[in-house]
Amino acid sequence: KQEVTQIPAALSVPEGENLVLNCSFTDSAIYNLQWFRQDPGKGLTSLLLIQSSQREQTSGRLNASLDKSSGRSTLYIAASQPGDSATYLCAVSTGRRALTFGSGTRLQVQP
Amino acid sequence: ETGVTQSPTHLIKTRGQQVTLRCSSQSGHNTVSWYQQALGQGPQFIFQYYREEENGRGNFPPRFSGLQFPNYSSELNVNALELDDSALYLCASSSGLGQTNYGYTFGSGTRLTVV
Repeated sequence: KQEVTQIPAALSVPEGENLVLNCSFTDSAIYNLQWFRQDPGKGLTSLLLIQSSQREQTSGRLNASLDKSSGRSTLYIAASQPGDSATYLCAVSTGRRALTFGSGTRLQVQP
Repeated sequence: ETGVTQSPTHLIKTRGQQVTLRCSSQSGHNTVSWYQQALGQGPQFIFQYYREEENGRGNFPPRFSGLQFPNYSSELNVNALELDDSALYLCASSSGLGQTNYGYTFGSGTRLTVV
């Protein structure tokens, strides 16, 4: 059974800091890994999708890496801003069972 | 291109009642998945539909059931509601069976409260 763990559970940083969110998964037989952002009480916004054959993806200030063999992914956020405050969720796709999610990292960026 | 639309946005039901939640998938997507997200937790997979047939199910009892229609929209039905069913219900659509290069697009969710 696939399990996804995200560390840390919560993070508070001052504006402007670079930060790293971690995601680990137990079964390396994944199709892809997706990072999402969730604002309180809202749905999920897709940030980055990494295919199992890829090592990283970038979008603006966000960079996500994938090491499938070790079951790890990181989301790097450069020059954090108060608007980045949200919960960040990592999810892996393992065939027909769709997505398995971690519990998320709750990020607070202080102005 | 429209995104994923869910209705209603909020709902309050009494324990024992039945509820139907609705989802319109993104244009061009033929796979719809439903997730339950309890407060403070990550979403949990309920089931997935591909071309009107259930194509995978998570660890949820049979009182959670669904439908997918020819236009790929979908319904989630929950019978005999329990207090623990209170959660945010998320619908996601994708092109293919989730093994594709396109990932999933999520709706804004339906907040269900069971009292």
